[in-house]
Amino acid sequence: DQQVKQNSPSLSVQEGRISILNCDYTNSMFDYFLWYKKYPAEGPTFLISISSIKDKNEDGRFTVFLNKSAKHLSLHIVPSQPGDSAVYFCAARGLSGGGADGLTFGKGTHLIIQP
Amino acid sequence: DAGVTQSPTHLIKTRGQQVTLRCSPISGHKSVSWYQQVLGQGPQFIFQYYEKEERGRGNFPDRFSARQFPNYSSELNVNALLLGDSALYLCASSLTEAYGYTFGSGTRLTVV
Repeated sequence: DQQVKQNSPSLSVQEGRISILNCDYTNSMFDYFLWYKKYPAEGPTFLISISSIKDKNEDGRFTVFLNKSAKHLSLHIVPSQPGDSAVYFCAARGLSGGGADGLTFGKGTHLIIQP
Repeated sequence: DAGVTQSPTHLIKTRGQQVTLRCSPISGHKSVSWYQQVLGQGPQFIFQYYEKEERGRGNFPDRFSARQFPNYSSELNVNALLLGDSALYLCASSLTEAYGYTFGSGTRLTVV
């Protein structure tokens, strides 16, 4: 049973436009959400996070929105750049906190930025 | 500053064998977590250690074990390897148990 779902395996966006990556979750006990970016042959790199008490967090070109009632979050990248082409993972952490449950990851979305 | 380092980078083992993977966290980080990523899936949580104690365990069989040493480095052991254990094994370190996970580049394990 997938608790974190990224329903788009891939997304193609033109350079300079906005990229929107979506993530849905089913576990209402998740209290902290993270986005990671992964290039081939490298480990995931942390991008941005959001606590469940907020609905938006911004860091440069990256903004994450959280809609708790819909159990949905999205990552916006504006403007999209060629170096943004990578696999993006949505991850969530449970309220049990500490590290007891680790992070639960989605399957990832492969973002391709077209020149 | 060195990031999270994992060794070896690649490994080929035969079914039934045992394997040990190693992880050195970022200096000052006391928590280490292990994840398994099979092709086409997101990383799946295996273990977390904090201050040398196991703090969490994912849904993996007892063939998987780990430990953390006084210098906060960690080893992941897998016994009686199965073909399905072929995956990228990722180690992440953090200052505390809860936040700021930094991942290493992983160990690619192939079981034949």
